[in-house]
Amino acid sequence: AQSVTQLDSQVPVFEEAPVELRCNYSSSVSVYLFWYVQYPNQGLQLLLKYLSGSTLVKGINGFEAEFNKSQTSFHLRKPSVHISDTAEYFCAVSSPYGSGNTGKLIFGQGTTLQVKP
Amino acid sequence: DSGVTQTPKHLITATGQRVTLRCSPRSGDLSVYWYQQSLDQGLQFLIQYYNGEERAKGNILERFSAQQFPDLHSELNLSSLELGDSALYFCASSLTWGNEQFFGPGTRLTVL
Repeated sequence: AQSVTQLDSQVPVFEEAPVELRCNYSSSVSVYLFWYVQYPNQGLQLLLKYLSGSTLVKGINGFEAEFNKSQTSFHLRKPSVHISDTAEYFCAVSSPYGSGNTGKLIFGQGTTLQVKP
Repeated sequence: DSGVTQTPKHLITATGQRVTLRCSPRSGDLSVYWYQQSLDQGLQFLIQYYNGEERAKGNILERFSAQQFPDLHSELNLSSLELGDSALYFCASSLTWGNEQFFGPGTRLTVL
């Protein structure tokens, strides 16, 4: 079975400061990893994804994440946050077809990023 | 706009009732997923359809059922509703499994 743990439920940060949202996963098979963002009263929007290849993945809105297989982590980073980045962030895991998985996403509990002026 | 549409946006009903949530996937996407988001359970996978056939089941109650029609839209049926079924229900679609999933805006269900 696969699982995702987001290590922080809330992360307060000042505007223009760097931020890291931590995500660890557990899986007995190879993984696909995703970060989604949910703004208030909206659906989930994909920030970035790791399927294979380079372990450093760049996404939208200046976010990036690094896949670390030995640490089973996929932490999300942004060098300078804006007020508009205030939202809920979800890390999710899936697996390639053929490894017993049909593509369903297993989500972490979410991290609330609060950007203060 | 993800291209995935869900109706209705809000639904208020009473315990014991039955409701149907509708989802239209992005054009060309064959796979539809349903997820439930609640404060206590977080985001949970319910069920997946691919080109009209059920492919995977997650934490879906027996009171809940779903189907995908020939035009690829999907419906999630919730019956004998309980207070605890109040949640945000998301539909997502992808070209096939393993691809990026695009989420709809969700249906907020309130059971009184």
